[in-house]
Amino acid sequence: RKEVEQDPGPFNVPEGATVAFNCTYSNSASQSFFWYRQDCRKEPKLLMSVYSSGNEDGRFTAQLNRASQYISLLIRDSKLSDSATYLCVVNERTTDSWGKFQFGAGTQVVVTP
Amino acid sequence: EAGVAQSPRYKIIEKRQSVAFWCNPISGHATLYWYQQILGQGPKLLIQFQNNGVVDDSQLPKDRFSAERLKGVDSTLKIQPAKLEDSAVYLCASSLREVNEKLFFGSGTQLSVL
Repeated sequence: RKEVEQDPGPFNVPEGATVAFNCTYSNSASQSFFWYRQDCRKEPKLLMSVYSSGNEDGRFTAQLNRASQYISLLIRDSKLSDSATYLCVVNERTTDSWGKFQFGAGTQVVVTP
Repeated sequence: EAGVAQSPRYKIIEKRQSVAFWCNPISGHATLYWYQQILGQGPKLLIQFQNNGVVDDSQLPKDRFSAERLKGVDSTLKIQPAKLEDSAVYLCASSLREVNEKLFFGSGTQLSVL
């Protein structure tokens, strides 16, 4: 079983619509959570951190459910420029306390005119 | 603020040849990571440095891959000899501290092994 699992998509979304997708993680000791955005043939870039109480950044809302071990990302009023792969990233506590980032394989979002 | 610098941007080699990648992290970032990203997959950690010490190299194929970070600043990753399955993007990332810190990625090196 993979440490971090995501629906690969693609999620085809009309411009202006809302799209949401989840990511599940297997390590209950995971301590921090992030969504990264990766454009085609580019490096991943941090979209937002995910906090326990949930958080918003403009049109993006992230939620964390520790009991069910998943995080979610919701994009409102989708723009063409939101087309990308969204990577779920989980930081796991390790025995030496350095922590280890685990990446999901990504969810592809395609926003269409 | 300058970002994470990587070179080369692209590299094409034949199997059994050797190749090296270079990374210069953001100034002051203590932690440096090398990731391998195969098409359609998420980045996989190869090695993590804290200053010039190795924190995690459990997924580094040590029979062919090596990495060093002299003086705790820039780093090189080497593959010798390369195999076809090494074709991937090699991403370098850095973070300010080791836990709960966001990662800053370089633009990566796309390696094609023929």
